[in-house]
Amino acid sequence: DTGVSQNPRHKITKRGQNVTFRCDPISEHNRLYWYRQTLGQGPEFLTYFQNEAQLEKSRLLSDRFSAERPKGSFSTLEIQRTEQGDSAMYLCASSQGQSNQYFGPGTRLLVL
Amino acid sequence: DAKTTQPNSMESNEEEPVHLPCNHSTISGTDYIHWYRQLPSQGPEYVIHGLTSNVNNRMASLAIAEDRKSSTLILHRATLRDAAVYYCILRDWTQGGKLIFGQGTELSVKP
Repeated sequence: DTGVSQNPRHKITKRGQNVTFRCDPISEHNRLYWYRQTLGQGPEFLTYFQNEAQLEKSRLLSDRFSAERPKGSFSTLEIQRTEQGDSAMYLCASSQGQSNQYFGPGTRLLVL
Repeated sequence: DAKTTQPNSMESNEEEPVHLPCNHSTISGTDYIHWYRQLPSQGPEYVIHGLTSNVNNRMASLAIAEDRKSSTLILHRATLRDAAVYYCILRDWTQGGKLIFGQGTELSVKP
């Protein structure tokens, strides 16, 4: 199966710690998206890349959040100085251009 | 971003058809209507999309009102594996690729 993969699947951390998540998109896809989903809500857009260029960032992406896609393949999402409000499912998706988005299984973050 | 309105929840019996409604009265001419669904503990998955005409694929059918202010996702024979949250999303093809999700409709399927 060559779908979107995300690691780790689960992360528990203490408030104030930094965490980093990784997303590996479908190999031929040039676009990569990050979303966040809290319990009972639909996913919320955070940011997206076309190849290595970060083209759009949501206002939800505070300065504690940074995303990279250095070689236009995998991407990382880092959260610095985590807060309890950062607890959520972080979803990654990829697409070829504006075609349908394929989502990964997500990384569930719990900040204690 | 144009908004969609969906019922919070719906119930269906197994092997019966399901009609999931969506209202989008502020839809613009460049908005495509997309449906995604999210099974428990999984990421969302694409179901179907359309612009003006009704669409069919192996998963579902999409019926779009003539004025495009509403649409209906049709599952022809619901199975237990169709129990999920279904999201109706308007996607402006001129505005990059992001999806704006609402709260969706939680579909439960009874055996």
